[in-house]
Amino acid sequence: KQEVTQIPAALSVPEGENLVLNCSFTDSAIYNLQWFRQDPGKGLTSLLLIQSSQREQTSGRLNASLDKSSGRSTLYIAASQPGDSATYLCAVVYNFNKFYFGSGTKLNVKP
Amino acid sequence: SQTIHQWPATLVQPVGSPLSLECTVEGTSNPNLYWYRQAAGRGLQLLFYSVGIGQISSEVPQNLSASRPQDRQFILSSKKLLLSDSGFYLCAWSVRGNEKLFFGSGTQLSVL
Repeated sequence: KQEVTQIPAALSVPEGENLVLNCSFTDSAIYNLQWFRQDPGKGLTSLLLIQSSQREQTSGRLNASLDKSSGRSTLYIAASQPGDSATYLCAVVYNFNKFYFGSGTKLNVKP
Repeated sequence: SQTIHQWPATLVQPVGSPLSLECTVEGTSNPNLYWYRQAAGRGLQLLFYSVGIGQISSEVPQNLSASRPQDRQFILSSKKLLLSDSGFYLCAWSVRGNEKLFFGSGTQLSVL
């Protein structure tokens, strides 16, 4: 059974800090990995998608890396802002239609 | 551009009542469609997915069913709701071959 784990479950940092969120998966034969953001009571917003052949993707202050051999992905957020406060989830795709989600990291950026 | 509509946003239903949640996708054809449930403080659980009209796959046995009467319409139903059906329900779609997932805004269901 494929499992996706996100550590830490919650994180509180002062504004301006750089931070790293972690996602680990048990089976390295992934198709792709996607990072999402979820605000309270809202749906998930896609942040970054990394194909299995890629090692990283960047969008603005966000950078996601993928290391299939170690079963890990990290989401790096530079110069964090209070508006970054949300829950961040990763999802791994192993084959057609099969998305496996982690339970998320709840981030609080303090002004 | 593609958009996904999900309604209602909030629903309060008594135990034993029926349920119908609807989701439609615009701007794309032949999408894969998904229903997820998110319990408070927990991850997403895949309930159903569909690769075409009338084609539904269920991931877990439960009190719910799904239907896809049109290419871009996905419906989640129940004949009699249970307390344990309470949760946040999310519809999602993806393009085949890309497998990038896009979510609707969700429905918060409270069964009392």
